[in-house]
Amino acid sequence: EDQVTQSPEALRLQEGESSSLNCSYTVSGLRGLFWYRQDPGKGPEFLFTLYSAGEEKEKERLKATLTKKESFLHITAPKPEDSATYLCAVQATSNTGKLIFGQGTTLQVKP
Amino acid sequence: ETGVTQTPRHLVMGMTNKKSLKCEQHLGHNAMYWYKQSAKKPLELMFVYNFKEQTENNSVPSRFSPECPNSSHLFLHLHTLQPEDSALYLCASSQAPTGDQPQHFGDGTRLSIL
Repeated sequence: EDQVTQSPEALRLQEGESSSLNCSYTVSGLRGLFWYRQDPGKGPEFLFTLYSAGEEKEKERLKATLTKKESFLHITAPKPEDSATYLCAVQATSNTGKLIFGQGTTLQVKP
Repeated sequence: ETGVTQTPRHLVMGMTNKKSLKCEQHLGHNAMYWYKQSAKKPLELMFVYNFKEQTENNSVPSRFSPECPNSSHLFLHLHTLQPEDSALYLCASSQAPTGDQPQHFGDGTRLSIL
């Protein structure tokens, strides 16, 4: 069964304290792995798509990496405005349009 | 307007009421989706539409009835809901469901069942 697990469930950082969020996945064949950011009262906002092991993508203080079993979202020198819930989702080659989401990691960055 | 717009943003209804949620996308996409987001649970896919045709129903109870009149509009008709149906209902769109393009989400309708 296709499955996505994110850890930790919650993370508190001081401003400037770098860290990583983990997304472990089990899927029959990976079409794509997606990272989203969700703010309270808002819908998920698309960040990155990763397609194959070894791929990396960056956007401001965020960098996403992918292996055959997991993806990491590295946050370098975070700021309070990076506080949000970060969601990971996978799309399997066997499914048409179905994204399988993890439970998310809620990040709080304190000034 | 740009992006994916959902109305209403909040809805409170009794178990015997009938209401509808509306979603409109201005991205020129061909696929639209309904998701349910409950507290402490991952987003759950409910329905997928591709060029107005339903291509996936993820074992959703019949008290939820989707309608997709064209590629830009999606509705979710609700009737005889249960308290456990209280959740955030999210609409999304993408270029095509079989491709690897990302899905873009609206801000959702927060539904409360009394």
